[in-house]
Amino acid sequence: EVQLVESGGGLIPPGRSLRLSCSASGFTFDDYAMHWVRQAPGKGLEWVASISWNSNNIRYADSVEGRFTISRDNAKNSLFVQMNSLRPEDTALYYCGKDASTVATPMIDSWGQGTLVTVSS
Amino acid sequence: SSELTQDPAVSVALGQTVRITCQGDSLRSYYASWYQQKPGQAPILVIYGKNNRPSGIPDRFSGSSSGNTASLTITGAQAEDEADYYCNSRDSSGILVVFGGGTKLTVL
Repeated sequence: EVQLVESGGGLIPPGRSLRLSCSASGFTFDDYAMHWVRQAPGKGLEWVASISWNSNNIRYADSVEGRFTISRDNAKNSLFVQMNSLRPEDTALYYCGKDASTVATPMIDSWGQGTLVTVSS
Repeated sequence: SSELTQDPAVSVALGQTVRITCQGDSLRSYYASWYQQKPGQAPILVIYGKNNRPSGIPDRFSGSSSGNTASLTITGAQAEDEADYYCNSRDSSGILVVFGGGTKLTVL
């Protein structure tokens, strides 16, 4: 059974940094691209970043470009996102997701339960 | 604003058919994936590719695409289908990933 477990969220003041982790199990982690997707309270889903299986292809949403860094450790079946210069508008539930697509269209077939990040003074 | 546009809300009578649409220029080149999200839960994938369902998704869910519009159709909507539905694909550059704004489906 595929399991994705996010951790690292919390309450943090604006301008500070936070690192989220996602621990994966139940599948061959280094076969798949991975995503971070967030959802602000009462709002829709927003794609944040994605990373290819070998970390050679990394993309960011414009809203986080230059502030967030996605990475992975295939030896430890783990996905990360380093979030710097956090803003109140970064407040959201952050999901990690496994992309099972073999073509260009993303297809997130497994999701974690999310970790909540609250940016507030 | 998202590059994929969805109607904010749609309603359907129990047992009837409903179509949820997603519009965007990128959909002329890329398929959309569709996700269902119920309150307090993570999204789940319901349709991907041309018209494919992951295992466990009822066959009343189907997908289609024409021009710049992708559609999710629920044939014979059930009470448990009441949820938010999101489409997902590439942006117009083909580089980034985008989600539609979501459609809240109410089953009457």
